[in-house]
Amino acid sequence: GAVVSQHPSRVICKSGTSVKIECRSLDFQATTMFWYRQFPKKSLMLMATSNEGSKATYEQGVEKDKFLINHASLTLSTLTVTSAHPEDSSFYICSASLLLAGGGEQFFGPGTRLTVL
Amino acid sequence: AQSVTQPDIHITVSEGASLELRCNYSYGATPYLFWYVQSPGQGLQLLLKYFSGDTLVQGIKGFEAEFKRSQSSFNLRKPSVHWSDAAEYFCAVSPGDFGNEKLTFGTGTRLTIIP
Repeated sequence: GAVVSQHPSRVICKSGTSVKIECRSLDFQATTMFWYRQFPKKSLMLMATSNEGSKATYEQGVEKDKFLINHASLTLSTLTVTSAHPEDSSFYICSASLLLAGGGEQFFGPGTRLTVL
Repeated sequence: AQSVTQPDIHITVSEGASLELRCNYSYGATPYLFWYVQSPGQGLQLLLKYFSGDTLVQGIKGFEAEFKRSQSSFNLRKPSVHWSDAAEYFCAVSPGDFGNEKLTFGTGTRLTIIP
């Protein structure tokens, strides 16, 4: 149980275009999902917290107009990279929060490799 | 603010040898503690977690970790590594508030296994 999927797994786009990445919790409902960005050989940096039915909470330094997050249902959150540029190339990972006895736990998707040409 | 330090960027271990990966955290109270493993180009898999109770935690794939409050540490151990253990390992913490699961990750330790 507690499986999270991401689509697409890999995307290559031209500079100036927008790219949408989907994150789905397949067998549970997640009121909270998280979006991370990971640079090569680096750790995960939290970009934003996505709450179902409300606006996302962005971390300091993350441009909310650049990285649009929508959490329209309890099983789906989307991250749209608008007007992508080469510096947006990265590995994007989402996670979905599941409340368990004694505390919450995040389950991670397999990631999306974005390359902007 | 909470922070996590993994002082070892890269560790090389012989197959069959024991392993210890270090993790220190900074937080005002006792946080929730996690160890994740990431294979190249993949997402993260949870190895083990500590919420409360017994400070020695058993996880998957033969890993264990010990929470030491006095040292603010949560080191990961394995008595005998396998070649398949080669990966990147991340320690993470989240506030001990029920329902607040925002994770802060360490910088990771890359594990290389030599025959």
